[in-house]
Amino acid sequence: AIQMTQSPSSLSASVGDRVTITCRASQGIRNDLGWYQQKPGKAPKLLIYAASSLQSGVPSRFSGSGSGTDFTLTISSLQPEDFATYYCLQDYNYPGFGGGTKVEIK
Amino acid sequence: QVQLQESGPGLVKPSQTLSLTCTVSGGSISSGSYYWSWIRQPAGKGLEWIGRIYTSGSTNYNPSLKSRVTISVDTSKNQFSLKLSSVTAADTAVYYCARCRLQQFDPWGQGTLVTVSS
Repeated sequence: AIQMTQSPSSLSASVGDRVTITCRASQGIRNDLGWYQQKPGKAPKLLIYAASSLQSGVPSRFSGSGSGTDFTLTISSLQPEDFATYYCLQDYNYPGFGGGTKVEIK
Repeated sequence: QVQLQESGPGLVKPSQTLSLTCTVSGGSISSGSYYWSWIRQPAGKGLEWIGRIYTSGSTNYNPSLKSRVTISVDTSKNQFSLKLSSVTAADTAVYYCARCRLQQFDPWGQGTLVTVSS
């Protein structure tokens, strides 16, 4: 099974900060990776697919990069509504999620 | 637009079978190159993919749950279903259904809490 190691598991940041979250796959997964945002009590929301494609309706401050084993989600200027937990998801052979990154207010 | 809604018992006894249904509205479950997944999330923990079904009936399951999981589809009712057998307290979680294409899981249902307890 492909393991997705997400880091950090949590971070504290301020509004306006640039935030970077990483996911490392245990083997190459091409660009078969998505990023999701989840707020308490809600279903996850798709932000990025195919490693770097922005889902329709998602603000452009979110961006994704990477290919192979190393991937990054960047929030260019953190907004109050961005405090949430973020997950990566690979679907190279069958789907698997990273462990999540909780973004908290500093 | 397409919406998904999970339904089923909120309480299941240990050793019994958990059964949930996901109803798709706003579009046909058979249209497009999609598959349909179940995902779960124990309280305070991360997301775990359970399995998926294509409208052809082909399925894939998470190896860690494969021996206990069955996913089926009823295209006439625009629904797909999850059965998880021999449940224990470790299966207590919020269960989500989602429409999928590769790593694009969108949309999701709102989720339903299933508690395993006697």
